[in-house]
Amino acid sequence: TQLLEQSPQFLSIQEGENLTVYCNSSSVFSSLQWYRQEPGEGPVLLVTVVTGGEVKKLKRLTFQFGDARKDSSLHITAAQPGDTGLYLCAGDFTSGTYKYIFGTGTRLKVLA
Amino acid sequence: GAGVSQTPSNKVTEKGKYVELRCDPISGHTALYWYRQSLGQGPEFLIYFQGTGAADDSGLPNDRFFAVRPEGSVSTLKIQRTERGDSAVYLCASSKEGYEQYFGPGTRLTVT
Repeated sequence: TQLLEQSPQFLSIQEGENLTVYCNSSSVFSSLQWYRQEPGEGPVLLVTVVTGGEVKKLKRLTFQFGDARKDSSLHITAAQPGDTGLYLCAGDFTSGTYKYIFGTGTRLKVLA
Repeated sequence: GAGVSQTPSNKVTEKGKYVELRCDPISGHTALYWYRQSLGQGPEFLIYFQGTGAADDSGLPNDRFFAVRPEGSVSTLKIQRTERGDSAVYLCASSKEGYEQYFGPGTRLTVT
């Protein structure tokens, strides 16, 4: 059974601080996605990473895919209250099937 | 519509009853996914359709759960003899090429 572990589970920080959340697995991902989910809504895709070592930036968010494609991180610079939400990683372990296994999530709260 | 829609948004049913949850994907999206999300958890994969056929139904927890997509567009998730443990938010997502999944707002199912 492939499992995705995310850490930390909960994070409460002040506006302006930086943070990093992690997504780890014992298995190799074919591709990995990061989502953000707000209460009462479905997850919204932030980024997809495919190549080991890949780094993608989305405004203040930086996503990194591990060289061995077993881990990923999401770094937020100068967090804002609008960044508050549940951050989920989702891995596709078998190329071409597009069957995504979601992690347990990191619940982020940014205080003004 | 512009996005994935799910109906009903909320469903309360008694233990033992039958329920149907509907998903309208984005027009032109051939792939459709169902997930279940319990409070504080990431979405759990249930089933994935490519066109009309179920490409992977390995996430359906037991034979009380069944999903159809007869014309390759709208999908219905059917749950027989509901149990209290079935209470969760049921999410639907659609995708054109597999990588980018667009989620609906979910149906919150409560079994009393």
